[in-house]
Amino acid sequence: EPEVTQTPSHQVTQMGQEVILRCVPISNHLYFYWYRQILGQKVEFLVSFYNNEISEKSEIFDDQFSVERPDGSNFTLKIRSTKLEDSAMYFCASSVDGNTEAFFGQGTRLTVV
Amino acid sequence: DAKTTQPTSMDCAEGRAANLPCNHSTISGNEYVYWYRQIHSQGPQYIIHGLKNNETNEMASLIITEDRKSSTLILPHATLRDTAVYYCIVRVATRKLTFGQGTILTVHP
Repeated sequence: EPEVTQTPSHQVTQMGQEVILRCVPISNHLYFYWYRQILGQKVEFLVSFYNNEISEKSEIFDDQFSVERPDGSNFTLKIRSTKLEDSAMYFCASSVDGNTEAFFGQGTRLTVV
Repeated sequence: DAKTTQPTSMDCAEGRAANLPCNHSTISGNEYVYWYRQIHSQGPQYIIHGLKNNETNEMASLIITEDRKSSTLILPHATLRDTAVYYCIVRVATRKLTFGQGTILTVHP
């Protein structure tokens, strides 16, 4: 069964460093998403991406965040200068189109120290 | 997006049906009802969704009331592996999923 793949599963970084979280969405999907979940809190929407553009973003997704689909298969989330409060599970998701269900990856646990 | 209300927690005996309610009294005509679950800190897993009609798939059934103000997710024969947080979400097509606190379902032997 096709699945969304995220790498790495766990990343530790120093405060102020840049990190790139990587995702391989399901191959025929056209909509891509990033969500995050701080430990013990709700799953929060960050951004959606379609046709090489951001289609929706939350207040969390500020200038420190960016997304890219560099090569037609990967979908990345970059955090330019990490803060302690960026520590969270980051989930990538994809859907065939915006009207159908989104499938989530298993997440990347980001720890900022 | 319309707000949903779910019980904080529920228990169910293994092998019995688990019926998880959700209230979405302010739902709009173009909003779908989605159910996801999250086991431990894994990625949310899609279960089922519907607009007006009842839906069934290999995982669960979704019963939506005629006025669409509430719905029930039914896991027909709960197993220990169904222990998870279950999220009821109403969503306009193409928009984000807004997760609440969900219902912690505990399936007991």
